[in-house]
Amino acid sequence: GNSVTQMEGPVTLSEEAFLTINCTYTATGYPSLFWYVQYPGEGLQLLLKATKADDKGSNKGFEATYRKETTSFHLEKGSVQVSDSAVYFCATTDNTDKLIFGTGTRLQVFP
Amino acid sequence: ETGVTQTPRHLVMGMTNKKSLKCEQHLGHNAMYWYKQSAKKPLELMFVYNFKEQTENNSVPSRFSPECPNSSHLFLHLHTLQPEDSALYLCASSPRGVDRQETQYFGPGTRLLVL
Repeated sequence: GNSVTQMEGPVTLSEEAFLTINCTYTATGYPSLFWYVQYPGEGLQLLLKATKADDKGSNKGFEATYRKETTSFHLEKGSVQVSDSAVYFCATTDNTDKLIFGTGTRLQVFP
Repeated sequence: ETGVTQTPRHLVMGMTNKKSLKCEQHLGHNAMYWYKQSAKKPLELMFVYNFKEQTENNSVPSRFSPECPNSSHLFLHLHTLQPEDSALYLCASSPRGVDRQETQYFGPGTRLLVL
């Protein structure tokens, strides 16, 4: 079945550093790809998504491009802030349109 | 847009207890979901209700019993749970039903501890 693999954390960065969180997917058909974020004590919320190859999702300075040739959807941000500290989940859809999540990557940003 | 509420936020129960988790959304969404989030594991989809009909039971043990009385409310009834059922239980909803392009909106979760 469809799946995603994302880098293990925690990722620890200083404020204003460049962020990359890797995500690769295995899928049949034409899945959508998502990044969700979970702040402490909260549920998940959508950060960005892409529904077809070469689409770029972006939100709050974060970007990810749906790359079919490398089956990747890496999350990037040029300059992280302390408030970006959270757990980031990559997700894809399966052939019945259900979400399949990765294990999550914890990001810790220090001043 | 938080729109999805869950009660209680925290629950401690013994293995012989019966309790229920409640999820409510007033977003006019047509699909609702229960997920289990355990440490170091991906989110596990448990149940899906699409237009009030249960369309997914992801091999969940019968000690978990969902109920969807209307499109705004979803319950998870718990009985004779095991300690390994301790986890964060998340409810979510999506606008047009189950669709590969749809965004799911999550509640804050119920943190469950089974003693």
